[in-house]
Amino acid sequence: GAGVSQTPSNKVTEKGKYVELRCDPISGHTALYWYRQSLGQGPEFLIYFQGTGAADDSGLPNDRFFAVRPEGSVSTLKIQRTERGDSAVYLCASSTTSGGGEQFFGPGTRLTVL
Amino acid sequence: GESVGLHLPTLSVQEGDNSIINCAYSNSASDYFIWYKQESGKGPQFIIDIRSNMDKRQGQRVTVLLNKTVKHLSLQIAATQPGDSAVYFCAENSRDTGRRALTFGSGTRLQVQP
Repeated sequence: GAGVSQTPSNKVTEKGKYVELRCDPISGHTALYWYRQSLGQGPEFLIYFQGTGAADDSGLPNDRFFAVRPEGSVSTLKIQRTERGDSAVYLCASSTTSGGGEQFFGPGTRLTVL
Repeated sequence: GESVGLHLPTLSVQEGDNSIINCAYSNSASDYFIWYKQESGKGPQFIIDIRSNMDKRQGQRVTVLLNKTVKHLSLQIAATQPGDSAVYFCAENSRDTGRRALTFGSGTRLQVQP
């Protein structure tokens, strides 16, 4: 398919564990975004990449959260020492430019921290 | 956007009627606005966007109206169909300030009665 893909679709982990969430953007999209969505709320911004660099990481809640995009395509969101409050759906989006155009979203990864 | 927890505002309409979903934003610097549709278990899907130099834009069965004076955005869906049932989010950013991340509203659930 030509859309944004995310793996895994569901992830259940225990408090204190480390998790990695993967995002494959639409081919050729230079901008990639991570958002977090709690039940009943709109997505909240975490971090934005333009190419390989994090252009804006102001939404990361604390230093347990980190994301990389080493080759300017696939991105991985990493969460250390997970807490129950980290449970949410983590959404990835990509766009063709950094100019604020349409962002195409993936289906998300539902993270549950027990 | 402000949180409404698990209790999203709900708009219930009859199939074939027109629907109007409203959204208020607070950032006067916002210059790009998007409406997204989100079905259960899926990521947000782009519906229509509008830039701040316009006050109306039409798509297929949808119209977005922007009133910058009162910072209000609305989505009108003509001849609503059961497939339109979903949660609708408005989102905005400010390209002029270099901000690329979208800020989402709290969402409205649209229920279409057959």
